[in-house]
Amino acid sequence: GQQVMQIPQYQHVQEGEDFTTYCNSSTTLSNIQWYKQRPGGHPVFLIQLVKSGEVKKQKRLTFQFGEAKKNSSLHITATQTTDVGTYFCAGPNNQGGKLIFGQGTELSVKP
Amino acid sequence: NAGVTQTPKFRVLKTGQSMTLLCAQDMNHEYMYWYRQDPGMGLRLIHYSVGEGTTAKGEVPDGYNVSRLKKQNFLLGLESAAPSQTSVYFCASSYGGQGNYGYTFGSGTRLTVV
Repeated sequence: GQQVMQIPQYQHVQEGEDFTTYCNSSTTLSNIQWYKQRPGGHPVFLIQLVKSGEVKKQKRLTFQFGEAKKNSSLHITATQTTDVGTYFCAGPNNQGGKLIFGQGTELSVKP
Repeated sequence: NAGVTQTPKFRVLKTGQSMTLLCAQDMNHEYMYWYRQDPGMGLRLIHYSVGEGTTAKGEVPDGYNVSRLKKQNFLLGLESAAPSQTSVYFCASSYGGQGNYGYTFGSGTRLTVV
């Protein structure tokens, strides 16, 4: 069936280092969404990318949607302790468009 | 603006007991969803609704039932709880469907079945 995969599953960085998580879909997506879940919290919508090759920035976060619309990445520049959490990508499935979530990348930041 | 509110936040059930999880949203969203989150499994869709009076099965519907009698409420029922249903349950809503709109999630219900 349709799958959305994320790597890595875990990432431990020193504060100030950069961080990147990658998302790959088994099928072409109409859009890709990214969510952040703080420890003990709930997923919070960050952004949606729609166009092939699209790049969007939110302060230190840079989101990219691949040219083939099957992959995406989230890059955080100079991580801070407030960036700790699990980052999920999600894309619409090919049966009614319900979101399929990747397994998430858990980021920990050492001060 | 409360967004999506889930009750209760925590619950412990004995095997075979039943319970209902309540989700309420005040954003006038048409679409509502129930997900479960387990370690290493991400978020898996249990049931969803595309509008008042409608429900549909998601990826992992077995052992659960849902109802959406009012647009703002989406109820998730467990008729006979099993230890495999120990999980964190999240309700979400969206303005539209087809995965074209971001989801707003509730704060979750942590359920333990012993």
